[in-house]
Amino acid sequence: DTGVSQDPRHKITKRGQNVTFRCDPISEHNRLYWYRQTLGQGPEFLTYFQNEAQLEKSRLLSDRFSAERPKGSFSTLEIQRTEQGDSAMYLCASSLSVSEKLFFGSGTQLSVL
Amino acid sequence: KQEVTQIPAALSVPEGENLVLNCSFTDSAIYNLQWFRQDPGKGLTSLLLIQSSQREQTSGRLNASLDKSSGRSTLYIAASQPGDSATYLCAERGNYQLIWGAGTKLIIKP
Repeated sequence: DTGVSQDPRHKITKRGQNVTFRCDPISEHNRLYWYRQTLGQGPEFLTYFQNEAQLEKSRLLSDRFSAERPKGSFSTLEIQRTEQGDSAMYLCASSLSVSEKLFFGSGTQLSVL
Repeated sequence: KQEVTQIPAALSVPEGENLVLNCSFTDSAIYNLQWFRQDPGKGLTSLLLIQSSQREQTSGRLNASLDKSSGRSTLYIAASQPGDSATYLCAERGNYQLIWGAGTKLIIKP
């Protein structure tokens, strides 16, 4: 296992379309996080899973955003009815425990036209 | 609201110099603090993690310190190289979330 992988690397979509991103964490990591990052800013927390349970969701996340981790392994992040303001890098990260390092994937760059 | 501040936002130094990047945080109940490196258009790479009970961590030419009483962490880079050019972010963990700084963009001039 070489690390956290995200797919796709880039996504261009038209406003109003739905998009889905996938994240495969490091296999033994039970904690999985989704972040969003815009240019020149630090990552912004979106949501967090411990195994299959979604334990926290940012209040900034509108109801157009949903995330799942059905079997406690890979996770998907779906954005419905995309808006231009959703354009950002979407980052996934995983860790073994709260006291361990966080490992990030390369991210999915979303552009909403 | 907990905040993390990194100053300066950008730094340019000649190759070979030792340098210090600063990170300030307001959370008195910090659990741990991590330093990350980010190359343009890429994800983040964890460099060092310091638990709240620790004072510093070292990895190669990198040394990170943590002073909870003053709410500060520093990342020391020895003998800088052009390959060190990147954005360096610090993030402190309170509960589930990491609170992030906006980063310091470091340029090492050959």
